[in-house]
Amino acid sequence: EPEVTQTPSHQVTQMGQEVILRCVPISNHLYFYWYRQILGQKVEFLVSFYNNEISEKSEIFDDQFSVERPDGSNFTLKIRSTKLEDSAMYFCASSDPDRDGDEQFFGPGTRLTVL
Amino acid sequence: DAKTTQPTSMDCAEGRAANLPCNHSTISGNEYVYWYRQIHSQGPQYIIHGLKNNETNEMASLIITEDRKSSTLILPHATLRDTAVYYCISCYTGRRALTFGSGTRLQVQP
Repeated sequence: EPEVTQTPSHQVTQMGQEVILRCVPISNHLYFYWYRQILGQKVEFLVSFYNNEISEKSEIFDDQFSVERPDGSNFTLKIRSTKLEDSAMYFCASSDPDRDGDEQFFGPGTRLTVL
Repeated sequence: DAKTTQPTSMDCAEGRAANLPCNHSTISGNEYVYWYRQIHSQGPQYIIHGLKNNETNEMASLIITEDRKSSTLILPHATLRDTAVYYCISCYTGRRALTFGSGTRLQVQP
């Protein structure tokens, strides 16, 4: 069964450094999402992406964040200058517009630790 | 999207049905009810969704009251692997931002 994959599984970085989190969505999916979950807290929506542009974003997704689909398979989240409070699990998801349910398929997550 | 309310936690015996309630009293007529779960720290997993009619798939059943103000997710024969946090989410389409609440922590007991 196809699945969303994410790399790396764990990323450790110093405060102020740039990080890029990578995702490979399910191949025929056209909607892509990033969510994050700070330890012990709720899953929070960051951004959705469709047709090569951001379709929706939350207040969390400020100028420090950007997303890109650099080729036909990858979907990336860049954090320009990481802060301690960016430490969280970051989940990528994708969905297929041809499915009745529009359900989102989530990846296993990347744990980002900012020191 | 309408606000949903779920119990914080529930226990269920292995092999028995787990019935997880959700209140969505302000849901509008064209909002769906989606259920996802999160096992430990894994990515959320879609379970089922519905609009008005009861729905069943290989994972679960969803019972929506006639007035649509509440629903119940039923796992017919819970196993230890069903121990997870279950989220009830109302939204106009599953393609948009999902708003996860605190969910119900289901503990399946052996």
